Amino acid sequence: EVQLVESGGGLVTPGGSLRLSCAASGFTFSSYSMDWVRQAPGKGLEWVSSISSGRSYIYYADSVKGRFTISRDNAKNSLYLQMNSLRAEDTAVYYCARQSYGSGISDYWGQGTLVTVSS
Amino acid sequence: QLVLTQSPSASASLGASVKLTCTLSSGHSNYAIAWHQQQPEKGPRYLMKVNNDGSHIKGDGIPDRFSGSSSGAERYLTISSLQSEDEADYYCQTWGTGIWVFGGGTKVTVL
Repeated sequence: EVQLVESGGGLVTPGGSLRLSCAASGFTFSSYSMDWVRQAPGKGLEWVSSISSGRSYIYYADSVKGRFTISRDNAKNSLYLQMNSLRAEDTAVYYCARQSYGSGISDYWGQGTLVTVSS
Repeated sequence: QLVLTQSPSASASLGASVKLTCTLSSGHSNYAIAWHQQQPEKGPRYLMKVNNDGSHIKGDGIPDRFSGSSSGAERYLTISSLQSEDEADYYCQTWGTGIWVFGGGTKVTVL
């Protein structure tokens, strides 16, 4: 069974940093591209960042470019999102998602971790 | 610019059918999309991928009453025999080189 479990969310003050983790199991993690997607309270889904299986391709939404860094450790079956210079508008539930092999769609999702940026 | 457009809401009676629409922006009418369901207070769940020819590939365990189709730049999700647990937000998703896009979502109410 594919499982994605996010952790690392919490309350942080504006300008602060936070590192999210996503532990993957039930599939060959090193073969799949992975995504971070967020959802602000009461809003829709927003793509944040993607990383290819071998880390050759990394992409960011304009809203987080230069502040967030996606990474992965295939030996640990883990995905990460380092978030710096956090703003109030970064407040959201952050989901990790697996990209379907050979396509860009998200075919499995985690349960999410809440990040609140507030003073 | 790659954009997906969805109606904000839809409703239908218990046991009836509802058809949701996701419209691709101009110049992107041949793109495949995915449909995701998000029940209240839960994370999203992948339902299916819908190709521009109308063929669709469902995710694991998705009931037969969920189906996908396509016409031009529009991609559809039809839910037949509506059940109370189908009351949820439904999002479409597509991707291009270095960009992934979600529609604004459609809230489905079961009457």
